[in-house]
Amino acid sequence: NAGVTQTPKFQVLKTGQSMTLQCAQDMNHNSMYWYRQDPGMGLRLIYYSASEGTTDKGEVPNGYNVSRLNKREFSLRLESAAPSQTSVYFCASSEFDRRNTIYFGEGSWLTVV
Amino acid sequence: KQEVTQIPAALSVPEGENLVLNCSFTDSAIYNLQWFRQDPGKGLTSLLLIQSSQREQTSGRLNASLDKSSGRSTLYIAASQPGDSATYLCAVSSQGGSEKLVFGKGTKLTVNP
Repeated sequence: NAGVTQTPKFQVLKTGQSMTLQCAQDMNHNSMYWYRQDPGMGLRLIYYSASEGTTDKGEVPNGYNVSRLNKREFSLRLESAAPSQTSVYFCASSEFDRRNTIYFGEGSWLTVV
Repeated sequence: KQEVTQIPAALSVPEGENLVLNCSFTDSAIYNLQWFRQDPGKGLTSLLLIQSSQREQTSGRLNASLDKSSGRSTLYIAASQPGDSATYLCAVSSQGGSEKLVFGKGTKLTVNP
């Protein structure tokens, strides 16, 4: 059971560089999410996609773009990385039913210097 | 805006002790509440999900209660073990079909042998 797979796990970027975090799920879920986790701030939603072809902003979308490539894949792009984007990024997926269990990836550690 | 608070931020107990973790939320119009566990360097794992119409859920040594009217939930861990050491996060999903979760900052639990 792969569940939710994120790549890369670790990345160091220079200020101004761009990169894409990849996420794929094999549970046939409709909904996918990108969160960031910072010390003392908890998890905050960046973007989410309720279904293939749709995306919507979360709490902290500035500086990010997303693409729901297909039902399985949801990518997060940093166009011009800033030190404030140093964080741990988590992708997640769920099927919106009464159980609404959400599954998280292992995280991507991003450092912007 | 929904806000979720978890107290205490950290807790250290001896093995075998029963303990309670607390979660409070400001807007009682929730769809459900979930408790998660996060191990260092890992993603989140869903432990228990309580629908807004429910008062509690149990899984093994874990029992979660929900008092929607007062905006509170507790996670009770019986007979704690060193393997229970982790950060426990609470998250709420708002009504209206929103799939977005709002997280607390977590309680870091250490169970000492």
